Amino acid sequence: GENVEQHPSTLSVQEGDSAVIKCTYSDSASNYFPWYKQELGKRPQLIIDIRSNVGEKKDQRIAVTLNKTAKHFSLHITETQPEDSAVYFCAASRGSGNTPLVFGKGTRLSVIA
Amino acid sequence: GAVVSQHPSWVICKSGTSVKIECRSLDFQATTMFWYRQFPKQSLMLMATSNEGSKATYEQGVEKDKFLINHASLTLSTLTVTSAHPEDSSFYICSAGGGGTNYGYTFGSGTRLTVV
Repeated sequence: GENVEQHPSTLSVQEGDSAVIKCTYSDSASNYFPWYKQELGKRPQLIIDIRSNVGEKKDQRIAVTLNKTAKHFSLHITETQPEDSAVYFCAASRGSGNTPLVFGKGTRLSVIA
Repeated sequence: GAVVSQHPSWVICKSGTSVKIECRSLDFQATTMFWYRQFPKQSLMLMATSNEGSKATYEQGVEKDKFLINHASLTLSTLTVTSAHPEDSSFYICSAGGGGTNYGYTFGSGTRLTVV
């Protein structure tokens, strides 16, 4: 089955700096790669996703890149703000909504004001 | 957009009792429901996948007789934790497939289970 590795497990950045979180996956059939932000006790919130026919996607301060050959994808947050502090999870699936998301172990991001 | 309503949001129960968690898709038909468990400071771990009208498929290491999953209709799936023990205390969250956006992954709000 799919295995998703995520690094780093913790990340501290100064406000205004950029943050990068990286994930690798094992299943070459995976074609959907979402990123979630989770606050304590809450459901994961989708912040951005990418599908295997796209190499990069950007939404304001957030971007995701995908290298399907190397089986890795990354989350980039620019101009970080204190409210970006949370736990971020990457995930992978074969898509279609009928196959489960497999999550990475998460990254605790702290943005220091 | 697609909404999955999960209840209860939190529950405290005594050791040995059973607890039922419900997930309802409010405005779409959830052909598939995924159940996850999340221990403190850990990731979401898939417990089982259920499809409407058929038996759930459990992940390795998840006891099917302890975690009973029912997906009797396209809008309702339930997870019953039977004979709960303190080690079952966790955050349980469902994710529906088959509707909405994002390839159909719509999460419920989660249930915090504490077994005392």
